[in-house]
Amino acid sequence: KNQVEQSPQSLIILEGKNCTLQCNYTVSPFSNLRWYKQDTGRGPVSLTIMTFSENTKSNGRYTATLDADTKQSSLHITASQLSDSASYICVVRGVMNYGGSQGNLIFGKGTKLSVKP
Amino acid sequence: EAGVTQFPSHSVIEKGQTVTLRCDPISGHDNLYWYRRVMGKEIKFLLHFVKESKQDESGMPNNRFLAERTGGTYSTLKVQPAELEDSGVYFCASSPTGGLGDTQYFGPGTRLTVL
Repeated sequence: KNQVEQSPQSLIILEGKNCTLQCNYTVSPFSNLRWYKQDTGRGPVSLTIMTFSENTKSNGRYTATLDADTKQSSLHITASQLSDSASYICVVRGVMNYGGSQGNLIFGKGTKLSVKP
Repeated sequence: EAGVTQFPSHSVIEKGQTVTLRCDPISGHDNLYWYRRVMGKEIKFLLHFVKESKQDESGMPNNRFLAERTGGTYSTLKVQPAELEDSGVYFCASSPTGGLGDTQYFGPGTRLTVL
């Protein structure tokens, strides 16, 4: 069964500190993996996208890593800010071709990050 | 450029009633997706439109759910009759090409509560 598991479920850190969020997946075959940020009351916004051949990708203070062999990804946030408080969702896209579909997105439950002053 | 918009933002209805959710995608995006997040669960795919055609509706839970996208612009998702387990947040997303690396842009969601 295609699944995406994230840890921790929630995390509280102090402003300025770093943190790392984890994602394990069993989706196969695999196309790409994205990390989304979802602010309260908003829809998810894509932070990074990584394909099979990519090991690391950065977007400002966000750095994502991918180990396609072990099916693990992480999102590292450097020098956290209050505005980083949000849910971070790992989303894996499989490769399926039926009825013309390019493959659905498989979502993790997310990690709720709270950054405190 | 306006993002994906959804209406209403919240809806509270009684079991057995009908509710219609609307999604306006980003202008020019042929691909439109509906997703749902029920309490304590992950976001799950419902269906995918390419223009006005249903490309994939494998995630639709049952025949009480009807999605339309007449004219290939905005889309509606009707739940009739609503049941308690339909409560959740319904997200709409749109993308330009629908390819594997395509970015889907999400709307803010409609929170549906069925009493």
